[in-house]
Amino acid sequence: QKEVEQNSGPLSVPEGAIASLNCTYSDRGSQSFFWYRQYSGKSPELIMSIYSNGDKEDGRFTAQLNKASQYVSLLIRDSQPSDSATYLCAVNVSPGAGSYQLTFGKGTKLSVIP
Amino acid sequence: DAGVIQSPRHEVTEMGQEVTLRCKPISGHDYLFWYRQTMMRGLELLIYFNNNVPIDDSGMPEDRFSAKMPNASFSTLKIQPSEPRDSAVYFCASSYSGQIPPYEQYFGPGTRLTVT
Repeated sequence: QKEVEQNSGPLSVPEGAIASLNCTYSDRGSQSFFWYRQYSGKSPELIMSIYSNGDKEDGRFTAQLNKASQYVSLLIRDSQPSDSATYLCAVNVSPGAGSYQLTFGKGTKLSVIP
Repeated sequence: DAGVIQSPRHEVTEMGQEVTLRCKPISGHDYLFWYRQTMMRGLELLIYFNNNVPIDDSGMPEDRFSAKMPNASFSTLKIQPSEPRDSAVYFCASSYSGQIPPYEQYFGPGTRLTVT
């Protein structure tokens, strides 16, 4: 069973702080990693994708990938109340077989306190 | 461009009734995914299609669930007969095999199903 694990939270940070969200995965062959944001009552929205070890920055968001440790994280700088949502980590499993299937973690609920 | 379209947005039905959920993927996308989301189990993949052909239906919970994709722009997920434990939000997502970077999936707004 290929798994993606996230701390369910809630993670509370004050406005303006850095929020750090973490995810671990079990399939060492995974190559593609994604972060989705889901507001309450809404659908998941893709915010970041990362494929190589290291950091990838997009505005206030930075995704970090460490394949050796099977660990991917999302940093949100200058957190805003509008960032309050559940963040889902997703991993493409068995990419060598041409599978487009993503396995999702259960998500971390982030609350940014004004 | 229109995103993934799902209907209905809300469905309330009685146990034993047939329920049909509908999805229109993003134009040009050749992969379509059906997910179910609950508080307890999170987001689970039920089945996915490539070029209208079912590739993996191992996530379909029971024979009561069936899915079809008669053409590139339409898919249905049917539950017959429905049970209270089927209550969940059902999402459809689509992806394009030629996109760079690959494997990104885009979700529809979901159908909130309540079975009483």
